[in-house]
Amino acid sequence: GQSLEQPSEVTAVEGAIVQINCTYQTSGFYGLSWYQQHDGGAPTFLSYNALDGLEETGRFSSFLSRSDSYGYLLLQELQMKDSASYFCAVRDGGALIFGKGTTLSVSS
Amino acid sequence: EAQVTQNPRYLITVTGKKLTVTCSQNMNHEYMSWYRQDPGLGLRQIYYSMNVEVTDKGDVPEGYKVSRKEKRNFPLILESPSPNQTSLYFCASSRTSGGFEQFFGPGTRLTVL
Repeated sequence: GQSLEQPSEVTAVEGAIVQINCTYQTSGFYGLSWYQQHDGGAPTFLSYNALDGLEETGRFSSFLSRSDSYGYLLLQELQMKDSASYFCAVRDGGALIFGKGTTLSVSS
Repeated sequence: EAQVTQNPRYLITVTGKKLTVTCSQNMNHEYMSWYRQDPGLGLRQIYYSMNVEVTDKGDVPEGYKVSRKEKRNFPLILESPSPNQTSLYFCASSRTSGGFEQFFGPGTRLTVL
């Protein structure tokens, strides 16, 4: 089976940079996804890495190292609106397995 | 507008009373899925479907049924709901069968008394 580990909480201040790590154990690997969820809302897709390296989308970047079974989401120039839960996810056959989520709190 | 819709958004019911939560997407997506979300447990997949008439179990399928008779619809059926199925439910769809970029519906908050 698959398992994913990510920190349960991270705190930071506006303007800072924060990194949310995700380690995974898989029987096969098809890529790592990241999702954002604001309190009470639906998750929204942020990024997907199938190959090693860094993918950048605006203030958010995602990194993958398949040899280390590790990835991270990097959030730069933090804003209050970035306060949310962040989930990493991997595929297991056709199923999608999510981590338990990291709650990011951004303060002024 | 491209979207995933779910109905109802809120439902309070009693143990044993059969219910259906509907899910529909207008993006012609291949992959559809149901999740439940409980505090501290993240999102857990209940069932998924990679195409019409193709469904498969996710992590927590017990007590649920699904069907995929049309590409756009993927209803979730609770034949005999129990209080441990009280949860927030999300339907999602993805353009590809890989399912990596999923679009989520707004959620259905279900309470079973």
